[in-house]
Amino acid sequence: NAGVTQTPKFRVLKTGQSMTLLCAQDMNHEYMYWYRQDPGMGLRLIHYSVGEGTTAKGEVPDGYNVSRLKKQNFLLGLESAAPSQTSVYFCASRTGTGLSEQYFGPGTRLTVT
Amino acid sequence: RKEVEQDPGPFNVPEGATVAFNCTYSNSASQSFFWYRQDCRKEPKLLMSVYSSGNEDGRFTAQLNRASQYISLLIRDSKLSDSATYLCVVNRPNSGYALNFGKGTSLLVTP
Repeated sequence: NAGVTQTPKFRVLKTGQSMTLLCAQDMNHEYMYWYRQDPGMGLRLIHYSVGEGTTAKGEVPDGYNVSRLKKQNFLLGLESAAPSQTSVYFCASRTGTGLSEQYFGPGTRLTVT
Repeated sequence: RKEVEQDPGPFNVPEGATVAFNCTYSNSASQSFFWYRQDCRKEPKLLMSVYSSGNEDGRFTAQLNRASQYISLLIRDSKLSDSATYLCVVNRPNSGYALNFGKGTSLLVTP
């Protein structure tokens, strides 16, 4: 099993450009998450999904949109990138039961110039 | 106040030393507690869950005090391979089991 994969691994955008980050998991997990990590800060929740077709806002949702059309995929969109969105983006997934572990993807390093 | 606060570090210790990390959390409704490990520029990986009764996994011991909202991690007999950033993590209530992360404490174990 590949676990959680993220595409792309690296990307450089110009201010105002748009892009979509793809997260895929092959573990049949119900829950999926997008976090961002900035230097000197903990991971912060952007959006999350508790199942196919559902999404919800996290701590820092502004400037991002998400979609979960298929259970295995969770897409994060930046409509008009800003330098403040330069960050490392991590996707994670978990089952829907109790204290199960969140599994993280390898991250996408995004720079907005 | 930040949801999860940790010792800022960094901690530089010699091989074989015992090192302790502390963490406090602000939301008393939190139910799940973890320590994650993050290596440089990599994704976080679960080190261990933390239970009220305390739990041990080899050289690692985690403790939870719900009354004072305090979590700790003890590493005995440090190895060079323990060098990493240790993240104190608490669940976000009513957010689909999402997590709140501390900023992390950096550990460097030296020969």
